[in-house]
Amino acid sequence: RKEVEQDPGPFNVPEGATVAFNCTYSNSASQSFFWYRQDCRKEPKLLMSVYSSGNEDGRFTAQLNRASQYISLLIRDSKLSDSATYLCVATSGTYKYIFGTGTRLKVLA
Amino acid sequence: NAGVTQTPKFRVLKTGQSMTLLCAQDMNHEYMYWYRQDPGMGLRLIHYSVGEGTTAKGEVPDGYNVSRLKKQNFLLGLESAAPSQTSVYFCASSPEETQYFGPGTRLLVL
Repeated sequence: RKEVEQDPGPFNVPEGATVAFNCTYSNSASQSFFWYRQDCRKEPKLLMSVYSSGNEDGRFTAQLNRASQYISLLIRDSKLSDSATYLCVATSGTYKYIFGTGTRLKVLA
Repeated sequence: NAGVTQTPKFRVLKTGQSMTLLCAQDMNHEYMYWYRQDPGMGLRLIHYSVGEGTTAKGEVPDGYNVSRLKKQNFLLGLESAAPSQTSVYFCASSPEETQYFGPGTRLLVL
């Protein structure tokens, strides 16, 4: 079983839709969690950190459920420019990131 | 600030050849990392460094060596390239937790 698992998608949604991704992690000792965005043939870029109380950044909301060991990302009012792969990340020990394989999102006009 | 840069951007090697990938960061970050990214596998940590002069093995270190002689540079070496090392290599640096990635090096080993 992978330490961090994501549905690979693709999620095809119309512009303006709300879409949510989930990600599960297996290491209960993981301390920090993040969502990264990766465009085709580009490097991953930090989208947002995920805090226990949940956090919001504009149209993006991230949630952490430690009891069930999953994190989620909600995107409201999807834009064409949101089309990308979204990588879920959990830390494993000090300074070590474990990446999920990513969820592809395609926002359709 | 250039952020994190990687050299070269693309390289083709023959099996058995050696090469060095260079990662440089100008953000004075302590921590640096080398990952490889393969389809369906996600990013996997090869080696990392928590400071100048230190290195440590990650998840998939075999066939690679690294050096961090200067704080701003992290070198990844392939002594004898194999087709299984065909991949996209990303370097990252971080002050503490948030990692900043370079643009990647695409390596093809024939």
